[in-house]
Amino acid sequence: QKEVEQNSGPLSVPEGAIASLNCTYSDRGSQSFFWYRQYSGKSPELIMFIYSNGDKEDGRFTAQLNKASQYVSLLIRDSQPSDSATYLCAVIEGNKLVFGAGTILRVKS
Amino acid sequence: EPEVTQTPSHQVTQMGQEVILRCVPISNHLYFYWYRQILGQKVEFLVSFYNNEISEKSEIFDDQFSVERPDGSNFTLKIRSTKLEDSAMYFCASSSTDYNEQFFGPGTRLTVL
Repeated sequence: QKEVEQNSGPLSVPEGAIASLNCTYSDRGSQSFFWYRQYSGKSPELIMFIYSNGDKEDGRFTAQLNKASQYVSLLIRDSQPSDSATYLCAVIEGNKLVFGAGTILRVKS
Repeated sequence: EPEVTQTPSHQVTQMGQEVILRCVPISNHLYFYWYRQILGQKVEFLVSFYNNEISEKSEIFDDQFSVERPDGSNFTLKIRSTKLEDSAMYFCASSSTDYNEQFFGPGTRLTVL
């Protein structure tokens, strides 16, 4: 089974700063990558997906994919206290998602 | 905006009892999934369902588990004889294709006593 690794954190950033979250994956053949946000006691909420090498931007979020180095990252610009959550990286294997353990992000006001 | 719904939000049961968790996927989606998350652990895949049959299942999804789409809108997960270790959040998800983004419901917290 594919493995997805994330630093558990917590990652603490001041309000207004850029938060950088990273994820590595084991299978070089992986094609599709997803970032979910999960607030405590809630379900995963899709933020972004990325299939191609390079950057993909959506509002304050930018996903970056480097298939040669097998990592995916998520940048959150102008971080807000409401961004404080656990961020889950996931890859598709077959038709299921394989999740990392998540990185806790804390945005301090 | 369409969303996945799940009922109940919280289910408490005695060990050995049967439980049925219900989900209504997004209406034009064709692929349905169940995941679970034990407190403090990763989200884990249980089963995927397409065209009225299981397309993939994990090692967790043993003979105690079953899924059904009884009426064209609901998607259910049945646990026949619950164990203490079945206590977890159970999430239903759906997607329009098998490689596309999956949208999760709010979850059912199952507590087995």
